[in-house]
Amino acid sequence: QQQVRQSPQSLTVWEGETAILNCSYEDSTFNYFPWYQQFPGEGPALLISISSVSDKKEDGRFTIFFNKREKKLSLHITDSQPGDSATYFCAASVNYAQGLTFGLGTRVSVFP
Amino acid sequence: ETAVFQTPNYHVTQVGNEVSFNCKQTLGHDTMYWYKQDSKKLLKIMFSYNNKQLIVNETVPRRFSPQSSDKAHLNLRIKSVEPEDSAVYLCASSYWGRDTQYFGPGTRLLVL
Repeated sequence: QQQVRQSPQSLTVWEGETAILNCSYEDSTFNYFPWYQQFPGEGPALLISISSVSDKKEDGRFTIFFNKREKKLSLHITDSQPGDSATYFCAASVNYAQGLTFGLGTRVSVFP
Repeated sequence: ETAVFQTPNYHVTQVGNEVSFNCKQTLGHDTMYWYKQDSKKLLKIMFSYNNKQLIVNETVPRRFSPQSSDKAHLNLRIKSVEPEDSAVYLCASSYWGRDTQYFGPGTRLLVL
């Protein structure tokens, strides 16, 4: 059973629009949620992260909204650019030593 | 700017052979990880290691073993590869006690 679920599987937006990526999780003990961006042929790169004590985290055009009660979070990419076209992974951890639990990713395509 | 380095980029081998992949980080971190990314892009933790302890994901077959010479290096050895081992192997690092992990570009393994 997938502990971290992402939707949609793929998403297409036009340049300038806001892309919304969803993530939900099963384990209520997860307390740290990073989002990673991965381009083809490269490793994942940390984009933005949030801890379970916050409900919002903003970094430039990227914002995480977190709802602990519903065990859901979302990543908003405002003013999407073609260079944002990549796969975005939601991850979670409860214990740093045990590593991160990843979702299956959302592939985002931004057309000019 | 890559601070987690992996070699080789790509390796092709036959069933039953032994392979070894290298990982080095220059971030001064004391904890390193190996993840497997399968054909569906799912990332799964295999090992986390620092000089105090090795944590192994119980689903990892015994033919896989991490090897470390110092805190900046963590190699991965596969004793006798199987076809299902074909995947991308990603190395990551962090500070012990911190959740933020930085990934290398990965080593793609193809088992014929």
